[in-house]
Amino acid sequence: EAGVAQSPRYKIIEKRQSVAFWCNPISGHATLYWYQQILGQGPKLLIQFQNNGVVDDSQLPKDRFSAERLKGVDSTLKIQPAKLEDSAVYLCASSLDGSLSTDTQYFGPGTRLTVL
Amino acid sequence: KQEVTQIPAALSVPEGENLVLNCSFTDSAIYNLQWFRQDPGKGLTSLLLIQSSQREQTSGRLNASLDKSSGRSTLYIAASQPGDSATYLCAVRGGTYKYIFGTGTRLKVLA
Repeated sequence: EAGVAQSPRYKIIEKRQSVAFWCNPISGHATLYWYQQILGQGPKLLIQFQNNGVVDDSQLPKDRFSAERLKGVDSTLKIQPAKLEDSAVYLCASSLDGSLSTDTQYFGPGTRLTVL
Repeated sequence: KQEVTQIPAALSVPEGENLVLNCSFTDSAIYNLQWFRQDPGKGLTSLLLIQSSQREQTSGRLNASLDKSSGRSTLYIAASQPGDSATYLCAVRGGTYKYIFGTGTRLKVLA
């Protein structure tokens, strides 16, 4: 079974530039998550999709971050414009159905973003 | 607001030792708790998931326990090996439905 795929693996940009990340979840997984992990910290949830609907985006800085999940499969996360504090690893995860008690998350390798 | 704490932040042990990693959380109203492993430059790998109604889960040399009333979970690793060296994260799923992660324990097992 193929895992969660993410691209690119690394990205370096100047502040105020735009950047986009792509995620392809495990086939058949209805729930998709984007996390931001700053060095030395645990991952923080940015947005959670159930199929192609948003379940939680309470911690997404909506003035600069946007995300979509077309057709309930692939997802893209965009930052426009980037700030220095956006330097982090962006992790995508998927799970079968998001059931509260039993759902296991499977993570992709992440995209390491450096903003100069 | 749920807060998750992991102590110690870093740990070095000689190969073969049994060890315990700790995770504490402030709100006991949880659906489940997961332990993850993260290797440098890689994503997270789920090790064990404990539902709120369960007390422990085991997988190979790993055993995770959950005490909701005291807001604690432990991950026990038996007979540690250099390949166990990684950062171990716990995450709690509570009333807001999203997972709240601790900052992790960085484990180094010395050969």
